Amino acid sequence: DAGVIQSPRHEVTEMGQEVTLRCKPISGHNSLFWYRQTMMRGLELLIYFNNNVPIDDSGMPEDRFSAKMPNASFSTLKIQPSEPRDSAVYFCASRYTGELFFGEGSRLTVL
Amino acid sequence: KNEVEQSPQNLTAQEGEFITINCSYSVGISALHWLQQHPGGGIVSLFMLSSGKKKHGRLIATINIQEKHSSLHITASHPRDSAVYICAVRVITQGGSEKLVFGKGTKLTVNP
Repeated sequence: DAGVIQSPRHEVTEMGQEVTLRCKPISGHNSLFWYRQTMMRGLELLIYFNNNVPIDDSGMPEDRFSAKMPNASFSTLKIQPSEPRDSAVYFCASRYTGELFFGEGSRLTVL
Repeated sequence: KNEVEQSPQNLTAQEGEFITINCSYSVGISALHWLQQHPGGGIVSLFMLSSGKKKHGRLIATINIQEKHSSLHITASHPRDSAVYICAVRVITQGGSEKLVFGKGTKLTVNP
């Protein structure tokens, strides 16, 4: 299996632009998580899906952030409009029942 | 106070030394994860524990549920073990969902 696949790996954009991050979980995994990592706050859960349904989005910072999982093999995290404080590494992870498997992360820089 | 506390924050060792990283938590958990993050960013899950002890190669993880404490040990450390080690606990929220709460990480440097 190719593991959890995220794209893009790196994104540099200007404040106000829309950013879309993508994730393909491991086939057969029924839970998908979006995390954000910053130097100041470490790793934080943004949202988690179980069987494509959002279960807990309490970590989504504000209305500028939205996430979708239209099917079991694809999820997006969208930021609109982006702000410099959104600069971070965004990780997607998936699991079935036990171990978590992380993607390589998407490093976002908002200028 | 953070729900998950790791110590030490930074650790430098010589190749071959025995390493211990500690994790204490203050909430009820259903499981505890140890994660490894190398420079360049990828995160790998090393262990998931709910009780006792697990071993994988030179790595050993233990957990004491009563004391709310876990340790990660590395025997015969090697420079390639240099990474950030993150403890994360799985908690069930009031709404019945689950979330991982992360420690700040321990940065390990193993010198040759």
